Amino acid sequence: DQQVKQNSPSLSVQEGRISILNCDYTNSMFDYFLWYKKYPAEGPTFLISISSIKDKNEDGRFTVFLNKSAKHLSLHIVPSQPGDSAVYFCAAPHRTDKLIFGTGTRLQVFP
Amino acid sequence: EAGVVQSPRYKIIEKKQPVAFWCNPISGHNTLYWYLQNLGQGPELLIRYENEEAVDDSQLPKDRFSAERLKGVDSTLKIQPAELGDSAVYLCASSLDGPVSYNEQFFGPGTRLTVL
Repeated sequence: DQQVKQNSPSLSVQEGRISILNCDYTNSMFDYFLWYKKYPAEGPTFLISISSIKDKNEDGRFTVFLNKSAKHLSLHIVPSQPGDSAVYFCAAPHRTDKLIFGTGTRLQVFP
Repeated sequence: EAGVVQSPRYKIIEKKQPVAFWCNPISGHNTLYWYLQNLGQGPELLIRYENEEAVDDSQLPKDRFSAERLKGVDSTLKIQPAELGDSAVYLCASSLDGPVSYNEQFFGPGTRLTVL
């Protein structure tokens, strides 16, 4: 049972444009969500998070939107840069500490 | 400050052989996690330690996998015997005590295991 789903395995975006990465979840008990970024041969690194009491959280070029009624969140990167090319994981904590990860979306930003 | 250190970075073994992975968490982080990441998948928790106590090992295949964190710092994850399906990346992470919504989990680079 995949509680956190990322249905797009890959995304290709031109430099300077907006990248939108999507994530859906099935467990209505989730109340906190995180995005992690992973470069090849490195571990995932925390990027941005959002609590369920908010519908938007912004940090520089990164914004996460949460639609609780649709059980959907998205990560917007604008403007996209070549250094943003990585795999992005959506995650939610289960019972406060165990992270449930999605399958990831590979973002490629080309010049 | 050093991040989470893992070794080896890569390991190739033949099936039925034993293998061990080592993790040194960030200094002061009492909580340590071992995750398994299969190709094309997200990390999945195998075991979580609070200091030296394993508080969640429900996803650890106990017939062949074992883990220890004897002094509440370094940890070792062992597989004996390894099977072809164990080929994956094994990630270690650490955090301060408390829920993940308050304390970020920091990941090491992982150990990529290939079982032939």
